[in-house]
Amino acid sequence: DTGVSQDPRHKITKRGQNVTFRCDPISEHNRLYWYRQTLGQGPEFLTYFQNEAQLEKSRLLSDRFSAERPKGSFSTLEIQRTEQGDSAMYLCASSSSNQPQHFGDGTRLSIL
Amino acid sequence: AQSVTQLGSHVSVSEGALVLLRCNYSSSVPPYLFWYVQYPNQGLQLLLKYTSAATLVKGINGFEAEFKKSETSFHLTKPSAHMSDAAEYFCAVSDFGGGSNYKLTFGKGTLLTVNP
Repeated sequence: DTGVSQDPRHKITKRGQNVTFRCDPISEHNRLYWYRQTLGQGPEFLTYFQNEAQLEKSRLLSDRFSAERPKGSFSTLEIQRTEQGDSAMYLCASSSSNQPQHFGDGTRLSIL
Repeated sequence: AQSVTQLGSHVSVSEGALVLLRCNYSSSVPPYLFWYVQYPNQGLQLLLKYTSAATLVKGINGFEAEFKKSETSFHLTKPSAHMSDAAEYFCAVSDFGGGSNYKLTFGKGTLLTVNP
């Protein structure tokens, strides 16, 4: 079991730049989730994929955010024109059917 | 809509003492309930889950939790704290049933400190 892998672990960028994060789920998992965690808070749901289909998006996911999961394997989360408020830990999780979600170690985004 | 309330953002115990972390939930449908632990700069690790079977659930590292429907609670306990238990703990709720995406709604977390 190789676990959920996220890359990069830490991203520092200037306000206004675009960033992209990658998540590689556990290979047999068909469900993939993205969450955002700010300091002192629990993770908040952003979006959910079943295979390659994006089935739900949170209101937190503004039009500057886009997520994809081509071929139902890895997923990317892109943030365009980053803002200070985007600074957070972005967590990816995967699961199969109604099994518990397994989380990656996250990508910490810092906006200068 | 579902929600989770964790009472106490910070709990401090002595090594060897009882650990009790409180969680109350709100759900319009029978819930799945989870406890996750997070160490600094890491993701979340599942401690235990309740999925409508036994109301007393045993997890990893000696933790257990009891589902009490009448109190809408799912408190986490461990009889004897160890220094390695120091971390942040999150309670989460998910709905289940046909068509559910099983997304998790988390509480704000409780930071557990263990004193020698």
